Amino acid sequence: GAVVSQHPSWVICKSGTSVKIECRSLDFQATTMFWYRQFPKQSLMLMATSNEGSKATYEQGVEKDKFLINHASLTLSTLTVTSAHPEDSSFYICSATDYSYEQYFGPGTRLTVT
Amino acid sequence: EDQVTQSPEALRLQEGESSSLNCSYTVSGLRGLFWYRQDPGKGPEFLFTLYSAGEEKEKERLKATLTKKESFLHITAPKPEDSATYLCAVQDSGGSNYKLTFGKGTLLTVNP
Repeated sequence: GAVVSQHPSWVICKSGTSVKIECRSLDFQATTMFWYRQFPKQSLMLMATSNEGSKATYEQGVEKDKFLINHASLTLSTLTVTSAHPEDSSFYICSATDYSYEQYFGPGTRLTVT
Repeated sequence: EDQVTQSPEALRLQEGESSSLNCSYTVSGLRGLFWYRQDPGKGPEFLFTLYSAGEEKEKERLKATLTKKESFLHITAPKPEDSATYLCAVQDSGGSNYKLTFGKGTLLTVNP
């Protein structure tokens, strides 16, 4: 149980384009989903928290107009990186939680912006 | 502000050589302390949640313990497949959104 998937697992895009990453909870309903970014050999940094049907809450320093988050259902959240630049290249990981305190993580999406 | 410090940053062990990883934390009120394992290029895999001082949890060769200031992840007779980065995270009871604050992790390498 408690499986979270992400799609795609890796993506390469050109500078200036937008890319969408999907996060799905496969066997439970996720009341809250989280989006993290991880740079090489560093820990996970929380970008934003999203609750189904409401606007995401962004961490300080994260541009909400650049990283668009939609949590349209209890099993799906999407992160869209708009007008991507090479410095946005990173490992993006989502997690999901139900009514317990535990977060279950997806396998991550490797984004490379050329 | 919640803080999590993990030590050592890296640890090399021989197969069968037991050791411990440390996670020191500062939080206004602890809702839970979490241990995850992360393999290269993958998302974190949930290991344990500890909620109160004195609590212990075990899973195969791993045992996690918790005090009011720190947590230890004890690895008994490790095998090469235990090689990974081990992440510690805390959840503040003052928060309403289940936010986790992570440490930088300990990279464990177990040599055969």
